[in-house]
Amino acid sequence: DAGITQSPRHKVTETGTPVTLRCHQTENHRYMYWYRQDPGHGLRLIHYSYGVKDTDKGEVSDGYSVSRSKTEDFLLTLESATSSQTSVYFCAIRGTTRTEAFFGQGTRLTVV
Amino acid sequence: AQKITQTQPGMFVQEKEAVTLDCTYDTSDPSYGLFWYKQPSSGEMIFLIYQGSYDQQNATEGRYSLNFQKARKSANLVISASQLGDSAMYFCAMREPDMDTGRRALTFGSGTRLQVQP
Repeated sequence: DAGITQSPRHKVTETGTPVTLRCHQTENHRYMYWYRQDPGHGLRLIHYSYGVKDTDKGEVSDGYSVSRSKTEDFLLTLESATSSQTSVYFCAIRGTTRTEAFFGQGTRLTVV
Repeated sequence: AQKITQTQPGMFVQEKEAVTLDCTYDTSDPSYGLFWYKQPSSGEMIFLIYQGSYDQQNATEGRYSLNFQKARKSANLVISASQLGDSAMYFCAMREPDMDTGRRALTFGSGTRLQVQP
């Protein structure tokens, strides 16, 4: 367990509103990731971070932005939520050994 | 092309029997890692087992073992003596070095839903 906390755990929002999801870790890991999970697709990478203020896009980054101003926090923002962004969002960190990849509890986001 | 393929959307197994969940992968890199995760109905991602591409032996963790066939690019998960609590979604994932970006993110298959029947 890498002490990963996601907030909120559940959120319902309206189309067109901005939404920010937070991922917090307690163990100073450098690499952090945001994934989304949809039926039939497994988990897909949205954005990742390799340090404070260092972020890059994943495979499904359209409509999302991220920020990392502190090592422990990685924020995912939907600037203007759409129904296609209804999903379960997972934050993950890469641990210190090759076998480590830890996930947060997930955030279920519904855009109505 | 799909990097991770799980061809079994759903599987049934009788309690106490063994079950194999299939996973094939595609990579041109000689160094990679393969992961299996369990996702119960509560939603969390639970790490089960890891296999490195250079590991000489197949990985085992309790009732979980990984049937790693490198030449065939397959990494099947074997669960022995299935229990009712094994009913869940199972994901295979791969981590490549990704030398261009260094991101080393996981790429996931679409998952297999396992149902253990009493």
